[in-house]
Amino acid sequence: AQSVTQLDSQVPVFEEAPVELRCNYSSSVSVYLFWYVQYPNQGLQLLLKYLSGSTLVKGINGFEAEFNKSQTSFHLRKPSVHISDTAEYFCAVSPFSGSARQLTFGSGTQLTVLP
Amino acid sequence: DTAVSQTPKYLVTQMGNDKSIKCEQNLGHDTMYWYKQDSKKFLKIMFSYNNKELIINETVPNRFSPKSPDKAHLNLHINSLELGDSAVYFCASSQGQGYQPQHFGDGTRLSIL
Repeated sequence: AQSVTQLDSQVPVFEEAPVELRCNYSSSVSVYLFWYVQYPNQGLQLLLKYLSGSTLVKGINGFEAEFNKSQTSFHLRKPSVHISDTAEYFCAVSPFSGSARQLTFGSGTQLTVLP
Repeated sequence: DTAVSQTPKYLVTQMGNDKSIKCEQNLGHDTMYWYKQDSKKFLKIMFSYNNKELIINETVPNRFSPKSPDKAHLNLHINSLELGDSAVYFCASSQGQGYQPQHFGDGTRLSIL
């Protein structure tokens, strides 16, 4: 079984400041890692994913995340945020193998960008 | 073109009623999902179908019954609605499982009076 912990439920930050949203996971098997974003009254959209290879992955809208296997973390970063980045962000994992490889989501982090 | 579409977008009904939510995807994916998002934004998988076959059936009341008439459709029927069923229900699809990203619909906001 897998579990995902997003350490901050709310992150307020001023426009053009950098931001880091933290994600830690626990799993007895190897997993793929994802970040999804949910804008108000919309479904989730994929921001980026880590499958293998380079531990630094770049996604859409200027976001990037770094996989750290020893710390079982996959933190999301953006060097300069915009008002339009205000949304709920979800970290998720999916096991490499198994007959039913579903996504397990964290509880979400509300990012609020202030003018 | 909407990739994953759900209808209705809003559903307000009384306790004890039966209701259905429909989902269609035009991405050619072979796997579809239903998720429940509660008032605290927590997302939990309910069901998953792969090529019309049920592959994930989490612990949900048997009042919830998914139906997949073909690979492009996955509907959710709920009998005897209860107050605790109030939530946002999301449909999603992917090509296979595991590393393939899931594409989500915009959700159906179910409110039980």
